[in-house]
Amino acid sequence: QQQVKQSPQSLIVQKGGISIINCAYENTAFDYFPWYQQFPGKGPALLIAIRPDVSEKKEGRFTISFNKSAKQFSLHIMDSQPGDSATYFCAAISQGGSEKLVFGKGTKLTVNP
Amino acid sequence: EAQVTQNPRYLITVTGKKLTVTCSQNMNHEYMSWYRQDPGLGLRQIYYSMNVEVTDKGDVPEGYKVSRKEKRNFPLILESPSPNQTSLYFCASSPHTSPGEQYFGPGTRLTVT
Repeated sequence: QQQVKQSPQSLIVQKGGISIINCAYENTAFDYFPWYQQFPGKGPALLIAIRPDVSEKKEGRFTISFNKSAKQFSLHIMDSQPGDSATYFCAAISQGGSEKLVFGKGTKLTVNP
Repeated sequence: EAQVTQNPRYLITVTGKKLTVTCSQNMNHEYMSWYRQDPGLGLRQIYYSMNVEVTDKGDVPEGYKVSRKEKRNFPLILESPSPNQTSLYFCASSPHTSPGEQYFGPGTRLTVT
């Protein structure tokens, strides 16, 4: 019940294309869903996050879509750039509950020039 | 500058030789956590702490110890390291109001031979 399943494991996109990464969860107590971005040799960094009371959140070229009934959420990167090449992790947490941040296994994104 | 620092950044040691990886944050965060990152397995939580003197097991606590005597510090102790603890370790912190918004350190690459 604590798992977050992330797909695909790796993704190759051409510059200017749309990158889409999907995540699914089981625990309905999760109430905060962040995405982290990790460049090689660096620690993960918070990219964007959503709460289940909204269906979409957009920050620049990055959008989270959230489907509460399906228990799924996804990250869309519009106009993907080579500088977006990184590993992306979805995560979920029950803030005020167990407060353990549960991560997906990550997606390695490569954006070709 | 707000940051999480870890030391050492790289460590090669031998089986059974006790070691400590230090973690310190200057953001006055209540919540601190340790993760290990392994290829194909993503980020797995080892231990976390919601405040001073309060620690709890994550998903993979076996072989590790932690302590939280001060708010800013959260050391990770391997009393008898084994080769299966060879990994990349990250410390993270967040405010108690939003434990899902974690700030990660730069990582410690540990090799146990």
